[in-house]
Amino acid sequence: ETGVTQSPTHLIKTRGQQVTLRCSSQSGHNTVSWYQQALGQGPQFIFQYYREEENGRGNFPPRFSGLQFPNYSSELNVNALELDDSALYLCASSFSVQETQYFGPGTRLLVL
Amino acid sequence: QKEVEQDPGPLSVPEGAIVSLNCTYSNSAFQYFMWYRQYSRKGPELLMYTYSSGNKEDGRFTAQVDKSSKYISLFIRDSQPSDSATYLCAMRDSGGYQKVTFGTGTKLQVIP
Repeated sequence: ETGVTQSPTHLIKTRGQQVTLRCSSQSGHNTVSWYQQALGQGPQFIFQYYREEENGRGNFPPRFSGLQFPNYSSELNVNALELDDSALYLCASSFSVQETQYFGPGTRLLVL
Repeated sequence: QKEVEQDPGPLSVPEGAIVSLNCTYSNSAFQYFMWYRQYSRKGPELLMYTYSSGNKEDGRFTAQVDKSSKYISLFIRDSQPSDSATYLCAMRDSGGYQKVTFGTGTKLQVIP
């Protein structure tokens, strides 16, 4: 059984640019959630996707957007990058919206 | 005030010690309680998952939830150097989507 995978592992962008992060959910999982983890902090919920629809959203601005595809993989897009967007971005998948979440290794984003 | 409070540590203990990690929370709607372990530059790994109040034991790990006090604990018996990591408490309500709220994490070092 393949776990949650994320790509790329790390990347560097400059302020104002756009970035797309990718997540492949664990086999059989139809729900994907994205989290932002700043250095020294716990993960903060960005949003959740269930069967290709956004199912819930945390306190993040609209420049954070996402997609979920028919195979339940997902993308996180961030427009107009700001320095404070530098963080570890985590994807978590689950069998359904109420089941336990399993995290991927994350993508480390540095905005200069 | 944060919804979930967790002492960031660091906490240093000798090998073989019993470790006690704690979180307090303010949202009485939280029903599901989790502990994750996160090694440096990795994604969180689920250790314990409990519903409502009570104790749950898994090997060297015991999770306790006291909803009346809004207080949860994780005990690690016979701690090993490989237990050195950051431990994140996490919790959520029973709502329609799974927004998990995390503590900031406690960094644990087990000294051989």
